[in-house]
Amino acid sequence: QVQLQESGPGLVKPSETLSLSCSVSDGFISNYACSWIRQSAGKGLEYIGRIYPNGRTDSNPSLKTRVTMSVDPSKMQFSLTLSSVTAADTAIYYCARVFPGVGPLDYWGPGILVTVSS
Amino acid sequence: DIVMTQSPDSLAMSLGERATINCKSSQSVLYSSNNKNYLAWYQQKPGQPPKLLIYWASTRESGVPDRFSGSGSGTDFTLTITSLQAEDVAFYYCHQYYQSPFTFGQGTKLEI
Repeated sequence: QVQLQESGPGLVKPSETLSLSCSVSDGFISNYACSWIRQSAGKGLEYIGRIYPNGRTDSNPSLKTRVTMSVDPSKMQFSLTLSSVTAADTAIYYCARVFPGVGPLDYWGPGILVTVSS
Repeated sequence: DIVMTQSPDSLAMSLGERATINCKSSQSVLYSSNNKNYLAWYQQKPGQPPKLLIYWASTRESGVPDRFSGSGSGTDFTLTITSLQAEDVAFYYCHQYYQSPFTFGQGTKLEI
């Protein structure tokens, strides 16, 4: 059964770095890409980026300078960091599995609400 | 970026009716080498993540009722829901995965 679960702090101060993890089920990391999506009232669903099984990453140019994605196979986890956050980064953050190849997102984690506030 | 525009923004229907949601992309999402449209539809209910309904514009995801269907090609796409049920109340989003950054429509709220 495919499982994804986001974790991390729910509150981050402005100018600090947001760090999230996505724990996945066995077999995921070696075979599928993981995409990060966020959803806010103001901007709807927004693509942050994705990391492929070979470690290659792709990021939204609007966030690229602030985004880092990585994978830790030993922990079965993907990670996302977003630096220099502002209130505009307040959103629900999702990790999602990419359908094999360049595909849609067929499994999603439940999401985690991250609020940027002092 | 490819801009995805959905219409209408909201839709109020009755049980058993047919709902149609449109999605237009600012450029074609049809990949000529395989003749596939890189377009998906998702359903999102309150407090839940989006759920994949349709991909390749018209292929229904496993387990999705056949009341849901997708059509269209190039830049114009439609999600049709026939025989509306109470559980179909949700937001619906189109999504292009043709070109990064992969973008979503603004969403359509379906009420019954």
